[in-house]
Amino acid sequence: QVQLQESGPGLVKPSGTLSLTCGVSGASVFSSNWWSWVRQPPGKGLEWIGEIYHSGSSTYNPSLQSRVTILVDKSRNQFSLKLTSVTAADTAVYYCARSNEFWEVVVGATHYALDVWGQGITVTVSS
Amino acid sequence: DIQMTQSPSSLSASVGDRISISCRASQSITNYLNWYQQKPGRAPKLLIYAASTLQNGVPSRFSGSGSGTEFNLTISSLHPEDFATYLCQQSYSPPRTFGQGTMVQIK
Repeated sequence: QVQLQESGPGLVKPSGTLSLTCGVSGASVFSSNWWSWVRQPPGKGLEWIGEIYHSGSSTYNPSLQSRVTILVDKSRNQFSLKLTSVTAADTAVYYCARSNEFWEVVVGATHYALDVWGQGITVTVSS
Repeated sequence: DIQMTQSPSSLSASVGDRISISCRASQSITNYLNWYQQKPGRAPKLLIYAASTLQNGVPSRFSGSGSGTEFNLTISSLHPEDFATYLCQQSYSPPRTFGQGTMVQIK
């Protein structure tokens, strides 16, 4: 059974750097999946932050691209999120998730969906 | 970015009711559409991918339809555990945007 677990500080100072790690168990980060970060500000909807493949190829939300880095650590079977120059607007529950590959047989297309999620970690930006 | 708009934003229904939730994309995403269920304080759960394919273990009372820009999630007969927020997400192109969610409440 695949499980993901977020870890990191729950409180970050304004203008500081938010750093989170997602530990993966029951699967390898080498597998044919993308590994993703999603966040949810209090009382609001989900925001896709970005994703990374085991090759190191990554894609980010343009709204965060200048501040975000996602890396994969194959030796520890985990991936990480770094968000710089944080403000109160970055206060949210941060989720890591596996973007699994699903094959649509009829048309021969590959689909990706977030099928395994961590429990989420609340990060507050405050002095 | 592709904008995803859900309607209604909330609805009230009773156990046993049939409900449908709409999700509209700002441009064609063919069938690159996922549906999730989220309960308070919990991570989202994948229900449907590729617009209409049920994820393993999801009850058959859930179904998805649509293509292009218009999609629907239908629950044929609401169970008590179905009262939650439902979100759509496009997987056509990054950023893989979500709808704002539809909260299904007990009438």
